[in-house]
Amino acid sequence: TQLLEQSPQFLSIQEGENLTVYCNSSSVFSSLQWYRQEPGEGPVLLVTVVTGGEVKKLKRLTFQFGDARKDSSLHITAAQPGDTGLYLCAQRKWGAQKLVFGQGTRLTINP
Amino acid sequence: SQTIHQWPATLVQPVGSPLSLECTVEGTSNPNLYWYRQAAGRGLQLLFYSVGIGQISSEVPQNLSASRPQDRQFILSSKKLLLSDSGFYLCALDRSYMNTEAFFGQGTRLTVV
Repeated sequence: TQLLEQSPQFLSIQEGENLTVYCNSSSVFSSLQWYRQEPGEGPVLLVTVVTGGEVKKLKRLTFQFGDARKDSSLHITAAQPGDTGLYLCAQRKWGAQKLVFGQGTRLTINP
Repeated sequence: SQTIHQWPATLVQPVGSPLSLECTVEGTSNPNLYWYRQAAGRGLQLLFYSVGIGQISSEVPQNLSASRPQDRQFILSSKKLLLSDSGFYLCALDRSYMNTEAFFGQGTRLTVV
């Protein structure tokens, strides 16, 4: 059973445009992580958000954790072809040790 | 730093044949270990996770099983493969703290024919 819903599933935009992808759950997150995956490789961590309302920036990437700790967003400014990849959010519920992933957003940035 | 070794990188197996995928870990002790499966271009489905030797939690009833005979070894097995077992299998580890990063192996691309 998938606990995390990511949207959109697919997104294709032109270089230089801005975009936002979302991660939502009916459950409260203890923490939420965003990963990026290249084809044929394992995911690599981008950021961990812990506090409701938290905002973290990683160069052109801005991550926000919802106040109610049930949702998160990833905003990319001036997207570049190198941003192409599968973006995954992952959560641990309170008191649980296992890490569960969403279905991902497949992002393609066209030159 | 910790590293995860998975092999083989690719595997083609006939339907009904057995499977054994091995994952070994270096540079850390007593990690949480995970097996995930990924369909093409999609998210990671959690199959099994383990918090210690001999401790396995199964997330999805299916044709697969997992074992952890040693602290740094995690094995995914099947007695008889199905076509639906095809996919990209990833082994991962993290520490037993709530916000730690998960590290992944390079994965095994399994095709059942």
